[in-house]
Amino acid sequence: DIQMTQSPSSLSASVGDRVTITCRASQDIIKDLGWYQQKPGKAPKRLIFAASSLQSGVPSRFSGSGSGTEFTLTISSLQPEDFAIYYCLQHHDYPLTFGGGTTVEIK
Amino acid sequence: QVQLVESGGGVVRPGESLRLSCEASGFSFNEYGMHWVRQAPGKGLEWVAFIRYDGNDQYQADSVKGRFTILRDNSRNTVYLQMNSLRTEDTAVYYCAKDPRGYTAHGFDYWGQGTLVSVSS
Repeated sequence: DIQMTQSPSSLSASVGDRVTITCRASQDIIKDLGWYQQKPGKAPKRLIFAASSLQSGVPSRFSGSGSGTEFTLTISSLQPEDFAIYYCLQHHDYPLTFGGGTTVEIK
Repeated sequence: QVQLVESGGGVVRPGESLRLSCEASGFSFNEYGMHWVRQAPGKGLEWVAFIRYDGNDQYQADSVKGRFTILRDNSRNTVYLQMNSLRTEDTAVYYCAKDPRGYTAHGFDYWGQGTLVSVSS
């Protein structure tokens, strides 16, 4: 199975801060990676697909980069509605696997 | 707009069975793969199973292989998760999710609201 190691597991940030979350894959997954946001009590929502493509309707402050084994999600200027848990997902091979999640909290 | 509505969750005892349903609308259901994803209380997300657009291929996580089966009925725009030999560790919110492609898994572009399955003696 492909292991996805996500870091940090949590972070505290202020509105307006730039935030970066990293996912490392245990093997080359090319660009077969997505990023998802989940708010308490809600279903996840896709933000980024194919490592760097922005999902329709998602604000442009979200961006993704990377290929191979290292990927990043960046929020350029954190907004109040961005406080949530973020997950990466690889779909390069079965079983699909998620990173452990990053909780973004208010500082 | 795309809607996915899960049903069938509930409280069962270890060893019992349950069938979850997910009715889809707002897109051509028979053109897209479908998934089940679960989340245990206070834990992260775990992919459970995927079924191809025509139902002719399925994949499951090792944790459910041999116990859970994913099925679909394209005439009813519905995907199912048949869960047998349930264990306490299967307790979770189960989400139905649409794949953006039909033939192989490419993640999830739409999600349902989830249905809670609780396995307890």
